Amino acid sequence: QSALTQPASVSGSPGQSITISCTGTSSDVGSYNLVSWYQQHPGKAPKLMIYEVNKRPSGVSNRFSGSKSGNTASLTISGLQAEDEADYYCCSYAGSSTNWVFGGGTKLTVL
Amino acid sequence: EVQLVESGGGLVKPGGSLRLSCAASGFTFSNAWMSWVRQAPGKGLEWVGRIKSKTDGGTTDYAAPVKGRFTTSRDDSKNTLYLQMNSLKTEDTAVYYCTRSVGGTLEHWGQGTLVTVSS
Repeated sequence: QSALTQPASVSGSPGQSITISCTGTSSDVGSYNLVSWYQQHPGKAPKLMIYEVNKRPSGVSNRFSGSKSGNTASLTISGLQAEDEADYYCCSYAGSSTNWVFGGGTKLTVL
Repeated sequence: EVQLVESGGGLVKPGGSLRLSCAASGFTFSNAWMSWVRQAPGKGLEWVGRIKSKTDGGTTDYAAPVKGRFTTSRDDSKNTLYLQMNSLKTEDTAVYYCTRSVGGTLEHWGQGTLVTVSS
């Protein structure tokens, strides 16, 4: 059982927008603005898409955006494209002993 | 360009040991906080352990499932991170990723190395 809760799957058609939620607790998501999101294609390493709740690393499309309210963070992908089909994981820093906790992952299907 | 290259994975019997290595380049390794994250086949990501830079104390922390069995260390002269895994269990079977953390984010990841624990 993962520390952060994500929906197992979401889907959308090309051009549409989808949002993936990530629910934690006041000890992780709610305490730190250190939520990140990773995209993982089959057989590949995770790729950082969003960090510190809503910042995009250089080279990541502005179709990806993040937000947080209380103990829940969200990743929104707008203008869905076929190459967005992948697994997405949220992650939160959770303090100096627990360090990092992950969500169970969400499989995004582009219909 | 930041590069992290893991090696040392393989097949090991339950109760056995294995040492993973992670060769780092493209950044000042000695200043970096480094972590290991694993992913069991078909499962999600799990943080395993972290080592701070020596200037920040060089201390380590571990996830509960591996505490007392796994040890992470670093050789800054070789720009290399290690994970010594002892008393391995079947549930330790996973791809192990080396990561560099920056300001609370696991920013850079290696390609991973597969560890299979099976009799």
